[in-house]
Amino acid sequence: DQQVKQNSPSLSVQEGRISILNCDYTNSMFDYFLWYKKYPAEGPTFLISISSIKDKNEDGRFTVFLNKSAKHLSLHIVPSQPGDSAVYFCAASGLSGANNLFFGTGTRLTVIP
Amino acid sequence: DVKVTQSSRYLVKRTGEKVFLECVQDMDHENMFWYRQDPGLGLRLIYFSYDVKMKEKGDIPEGYSVSREKKERFSLILESASTNQTSMYLCASSLGGAGFSNSPLHFGNGTRLTVT
Repeated sequence: DQQVKQNSPSLSVQEGRISILNCDYTNSMFDYFLWYKKYPAEGPTFLISISSIKDKNEDGRFTVFLNKSAKHLSLHIVPSQPGDSAVYFCAASGLSGANNLFFGTGTRLTVIP
Repeated sequence: DVKVTQSSRYLVKRTGEKVFLECVQDMDHENMFWYRQDPGLGLRLIYFSYDVKMKEKGDIPEGYSVSREKKERFSLILESASTNQTSMYLCASSLGGAGFSNSPLHFGNGTRLTVT
């Protein structure tokens, strides 16, 4: 059973606008959440993370929000750029730092110039 | 920059063959991982290793084994390949726990394995 879910397989956004990618999880023991970005023919690369003791983490154009009561997190990209077009994976781990990350199914973001 | 190198980009094997997927990392990372990526299922952990000769099962270890004889090298073995093992296989390494932002996973570019 999928413990981390990304219900939108794809998202298209105009350049300069905000992109919002969503992720839901079912396991309340998860306490660390990460986003990875994947370009075609490359492996995923780490983008940003958030600990369960926070509700927001920001890094430049990327902000991750965590709503623990709803078991929901989102990644905001502002402003979106064509180079952001990629597949974004949400991942979660329990027992902070544990090696078994649970990944979502990914959302393909297309930023239209 | 961390480099994780997977020996093959594409591989085609026959059902029943023994298949070796090789992965090498150059940053002296303690942990190494094998994932498979399938449409609609995301990335699923097959095995990981936290030290030479040490291994732990992930979520889907059935039909696979691994070998880590040297710190920099982690091999995934399909003892008898089957068509349901057709997939994209991704190797990764991390300095510490994969859940920490200061030791994230560094992935190779993947091996697309087709079993016919």
